[in-house]
Amino acid sequence: GAVVSQHPSRVICKSGTSVKIECRSLDFQATTMFWYRQFPKQSLMLMATSNEGSKATYEQGVEKDKFLINHASLTLSTLTVTSAHPEDSSFYICSARIQPLQPQHFGDGTRLSIL
Amino acid sequence: QKEVEQDPGPLSVPEGAIVSLNCTYSNSAFQYFMWYRQYSRKGPELLMYTYSSGNKEDGRFTAQVDKSSKYISLFIRDSQPSDSATYLCAMSAKDAGGTSYGKLTFGQGTILTVHP
Repeated sequence: GAVVSQHPSRVICKSGTSVKIECRSLDFQATTMFWYRQFPKQSLMLMATSNEGSKATYEQGVEKDKFLINHASLTLSTLTVTSAHPEDSSFYICSARIQPLQPQHFGDGTRLSIL
Repeated sequence: QKEVEQDPGPLSVPEGAIVSLNCTYSNSAFQYFMWYRQYSRKGPELLMYTYSSGNKEDGRFTAQVDKSSKYISLFIRDSQPSDSATYLCAMSAKDAGGTSYGKLTFGQGTILTVHP
């Protein structure tokens, strides 16, 4: 149980393109999902908390208009990187938890490369 | 000072060795402690989690928490080459309402290599 699926696993696109990443909880419903960013050889940095049916909560320094989050159902959250530039290239990972007092389970990440 | 400190390693051990991975923390509000394993180009995989001081064992893995010293450990017995990965400690406090735990604070990860 507690499987989190992320798609796509790899994206390469031109500067200025918008990219959408999907995060799905496959065998449970998740009212809350999380989006992280990870740079090479570094730990995970929380970008935002995604709440089903309401606006996401962004961490300090994360641009809301740049990283659009939508959590339209109990099993799907999406992260859209708008007008992506090379500095947005990174490893993006989502997570979800079955219940509020349970640990987070992570997807396998999306490697985004902006040329 | 970081809230969570973890020795980045790298740590290299022979197959069969006992591995000890450690994290210290400064925030006394942390109540939930987790260990994740991350293989290259993959997301973190939950290994162990605990809410209290003491030991918790699961197969070859033992998680140890000492809240008085603000210190947590993960022990891996009979280590295997397949254990080669980055190990991340993570911890959290309860949110203001007390009905869930808040955001995770991660250590920087320890790179472990187990050689045959």
